[in-house]
Amino acid sequence: SQQGEEDPQALSIQEGENATMNCSYKTSINNLQWYRQNSGRGLVHLILIRSNEREKHSGRLRVTLDTSKKSSSLLITASRAADTASYFCATDSGSEKLVFGKGTKLTVNP
Amino acid sequence: EAQVTQNPRYLITVTGKKLTVTCSQNMNHEYMSWYRQDPGLGLRQIYYSMNVEVTDKGDVPEGYKVSRKEKRNFPLILESPSPNQTSLYFCASSLGRTSYEQYFGPGTRLTVT
Repeated sequence: SQQGEEDPQALSIQEGENATMNCSYKTSINNLQWYRQNSGRGLVHLILIRSNEREKHSGRLRVTLDTSKKSSSLLITASRAADTASYFCATDSGSEKLVFGKGTKLTVNP
Repeated sequence: EAQVTQNPRYLITVTGKKLTVTCSQNMNHEYMSWYRQDPGLGLRQIYYSMNVEVTDKGDVPEGYKVSRKEKRNFPLILESPSPNQTSLYFCASSLGRTSYEQYFGPGTRLTVT
């Protein structure tokens, strides 16, 4: 059961530019999480945003949540080549399972 | 160092030969889960465990078994592997349920011929 769907599937930008990825979901959620995965490696947690929150920041990362539109966005500011990775959203709908989207593949060109 | 470990990291096996992928965490986490990752399909949950002796099916449990006899370990068992189980497998753990960040292991790349 796919809940979160990331958009775009792939994104290529130049170093220093901002990268924005979106996640849409279908049912109400308790929280939404964003993860990063470097090629073939384990996922690393970035940010968790709860359903009663609208925006969270962590360093160069900014996450917004719009529960009325059932969508979230992840903004990476001043991107670096090291940000090249796949980014996943995961939703918690209270079913004791986290459901992951298919991811956005970000390439940051030096 | 807080971590989730998986073994083996790479495994090539033949159809029908039983195998076990081990997963261990040193963070005293209650919640553990197994995922498989396939191109174009993303990450899908196989099984999860809320605590010792408590396990439940995820979205794609067919062909897999798990056990949770100790809090730190959550092995994934393929009793009769088939080629469609060729995939990248991840174990993850968290403090409790899905309201907490998940810590992922490094992954096990399994090929079944």
